[in-house]
Amino acid sequence: DIQMTQSPSSLSASVGDRVTITCRASQDINNHLAWFQQKPGKAPKSLIYGASTLQSGVPSKFSGSGSGTDFTLTISSLQPEDLGTYFCQQYISYPLTFGGGTKVEIK
Amino acid sequence: QVQLQESGPGLVKPSETLSLTCAVSGYSISSAYYWGWIRQPPGKGLEWIGNMDHTGITFFNPSLKSRVTISPDTSKNQFSLKLTSVTAADTAVYYCARRVRDSSGYHWFIDSWGQGTLVTVSS
Repeated sequence: DIQMTQSPSSLSASVGDRVTITCRASQDINNHLAWFQQKPGKAPKSLIYGASTLQSGVPSKFSGSGSGTDFTLTISSLQPEDLGTYFCQQYISYPLTFGGGTKVEIK
Repeated sequence: QVQLQESGPGLVKPSETLSLTCAVSGYSISSAYYWGWIRQPPGKGLEWIGNMDHTGITFFNPSLKSRVTISPDTSKNQFSLKLTSVTAADTAVYYCARRVRDSSGYHWFIDSWGQGTLVTVSS
């Protein structure tokens, strides 16, 4: 199985800050990586696929980059509605696997 | 726009079978794509359970493979999950989800989720 490791596991940032979350795969997954946002008590929402392509309707303050084993999700200007947990997931091979999540809090 | 909605018992006894249904609207499950299940134990991360393609061919997480069945009901445009011999470790929110093809044409990413349903395993 491909292991997905996210860092940090949690962060606290101020409104307007630039926030970066890292995801590392245990082997090369090319660009077959997705990011999800999960607000408290809600289902995950798909943000990004192909490491950097925004899902329809996702605001441009979210961006993704990376290829191979190292990936990042960036929120350019953190807003209160961005609080929640963010997960990465590889979809190059079965079983599909997720990172452990990064909990984003607002200072 | 596709919508997915999970339903089923919220409480299952240990050693019994967990059964859930995902009703799909806005797209026919027999037309294309992958349709599957993901779960999240309370306060924990996400675990992929398995999925089926639009012809009903299935793929499962090896950690659960011996206990899982995913099957379609095309007449109702829904698909189901059955997990046998459940224990407290199977207590989780269960989500159904759709996977669609990416630009490579060979790989499939999740684009839509149901709202989730909590299943508790307890006597």
